[in-house]
Order: sequence, then C-alpha cells, then structure tokens
Amino acid sequence: GAVVSQHPSWVICKSGTSVKIECRSLDFQATTMFWYRQFPKQSLMLMATSNEGSKATYEQGVEKDKFLINHASLTLSTLTVTSAHPEDSSFYICSAREGGGPALKQYFGPGTRLTVT
Amino acid sequence: EDKVVQSPLSLVVHEGDTVTLNCSYEVTNFRSLLWYKQEKKAPTFLFMLTSSGIEKKSGRLSSILDKKELFSILNITATQTGDSAVYLCAVEVAGGTSYGKLTFGQGTILTVHP
Repeated sequence: GAVVSQHPSWVICKSGTSVKIECRSLDFQATTMFWYRQFPKQSLMLMATSNEGSKATYEQGVEKDKFLINHASLTLSTLTVTSAHPEDSSFYICSAREGGGPALKQYFGPGTRLTVT
Repeated sequence: EDKVVQSPLSLVVHEGDTVTLNCSYEVTNFRSLLWYKQEKKAPTFLFMLTSSGIEKKSGRLSSILDKKELFSILNITATQTGDSAVYLCAVEVAGGTSYGKLTFGQGTILTVHP
C-alpha cells in the first residue's frame, strides 16, 4: 500500500524557536497533502490543505504566519512552526492523497510529536 | 458547520464479543466516509464508503453506509485484544476544487479484554 513518511518522529524545542516537519509520499505522487493536529485524547483537527505548486489553504482559526506550509514537489510538503510556544505542543500528522478527483484514499504519515519547553 | 459524531465514545468488551460502532454526520457536499484505526501513532485506513447499502468487508471487520439517514456502522466480530484502539470516522467533503478535506468524529475507544 501507499506509504507516507514524516520526519522527525519527535522533536523537543525551546520556546521561541522554529521547527520544520517534513511529509513525504514514498511511492506515489501526492497532488494534495493535509496537515492535522491532534491533542491528547482528542480527534484529528485539520489545519491546512497543501496543494503542490500553490499556496496552502488554512482552516479557520489557524494562523498562516505561524504555521508555514510549503508543497514544492509532488512528494514533499513541509510544515514549519515558527516561534513555537508550549501551547503548540501536539501531535502533528500529515496525510497525502494520490491525484485529483473525489473519493480517493488518503494515507497518513506516522506523525510528529512536538514538545515545546 | 460540518459535523461528524461517533458513538459510543468508549466501549469495553471481552474477546469473542461482537461490537458495532456508529458514525452519524451532517455535512455539505458529501463525497465519501472513511473509517480508520488509530493505535499509538497515525491512523491506518480501514474502509472508504461512497454508496449506500453496499457492505464492505475485510476479515472480521465490515462497514456499511446509509446516505439517506446519514450514518455508517463499523462491525467487528469475534473481537481480539489486538482490536483495542481508537476507531475514527471521517467524512470527505468537497470544498471548491479541493478534494479530500476530512472532518473527523471524536473517535470510539475500544478496549478488548482477554
């Protein structure tokens, strides 16, 4: 089946620093990638939709200047958490979708656990 | 606002029992409904449902969608301890030309005791 990787799998950073998380589709081309955040014992909340070669679309309440998304190629999207604060500590998960059109499977990466101290 | 509601929120059973997990939704521009299993890390795909009344099966798991009543069920028969996980229901909606946007339910925490 399709494989999506994320790097790093966990990261600890100091408050005020920036952290970059990579999401790669390993065996297919992902026209669209999605970034989710999951707090403990809660469900996944969509943060933004990333389309290759265009600007990301952010969900309501997600600061685009804080969570920078770049989708420069069909196999790579990056999420940069700028000036991270302890409240940004969370589990960040990306997913990738092969091709365009409706009702296609979406494959999730293994997630990145971010802890901001 | 799109909404996906799962029930029950948690369920404790013994090995061999059969469980039914429920997912109801209210969304605009429905495309598909997906079920995922989440253990310690990211969700793993179980089923995608797009048509009403067609059961999808994979081993001891099966799922069906009712687009008229806006719900889906996930059945697990002869449960095993390895089935213990959070089961997530998500609905894909269309937003303009952007496909694939998922709205997740809260999840059902299933615990299977030996």
